[in-house]
Amino acid sequence: DAGVTQSPTHLIKTRGQQVTLRCSPKSGHDTVSWYQQALGQGPQFIFQYYEEEERQRGNFPDRFSGHQFPNYSSELNVNALLLGDSALYLCASSYAETQYFGPGTRLLVL
Amino acid sequence: AQKITQTQPGMFVQEKEAVTLDCTYDTSDPSYGLFWYKQPSSGEMIFLIYQGSYDQQNATEGRYSLNFQKARKSANLVISASQLGDSAMYFCAMRMNRDDKIIFGKGTRLHILP
Repeated sequence: DAGVTQSPTHLIKTRGQQVTLRCSPKSGHDTVSWYQQALGQGPQFIFQYYEEEERQRGNFPDRFSGHQFPNYSSELNVNALLLGDSALYLCASSYAETQYFGPGTRLLVL
Repeated sequence: AQKITQTQPGMFVQEKEAVTLDCTYDTSDPSYGLFWYKQPSSGEMIFLIYQGSYDQQNATEGRYSLNFQKARKSANLVISASQLGDSAMYFCAMRMNRDDKIIFGKGTRLHILP
């Protein structure tokens, strides 16, 4: 049973560019959440998708957007990248109370 | 507002000893869940243990147990017989049952010494 997978593992972008990160949930999970983890900090909730709709959103600007597909996989898009967007982006999937995380995508913005 | 506090930024523990990682939380919601995750240097967040606010007994998962003291709003993680592979960052987290987002603490870096 494959766990949560994310791609790519690493990414380098320059300021002003746009990026798309991808996540495939654990088998049987229908809910996907995205988190941003800056160096030395705990993860911060970005948003959550369920039934292809954004169900909840954290305190992140509209530059951060997402999508969930009918197979429950999800994308996180970030527009107009800033240096401060450099972080580990974690995807988590869930069916009941526990969220299981993927290995993350490390984004570096230069 | 909901908040998780982990007061130990780092800990050094001798191999095979037990270790307690502290976590306090703040919420006015009566229904919530508490989690502990382990994050090795690779970055993946590994689920360790879960405690529901209405659970009467403390959760246990192998060498991990959660010392849940509801009145004190405390949810400490106890690792028995520590191993070198336990060296990692540990995060305490909370989820309100009325929504699904998880709030994390700042973490405790645990170093197991041989």
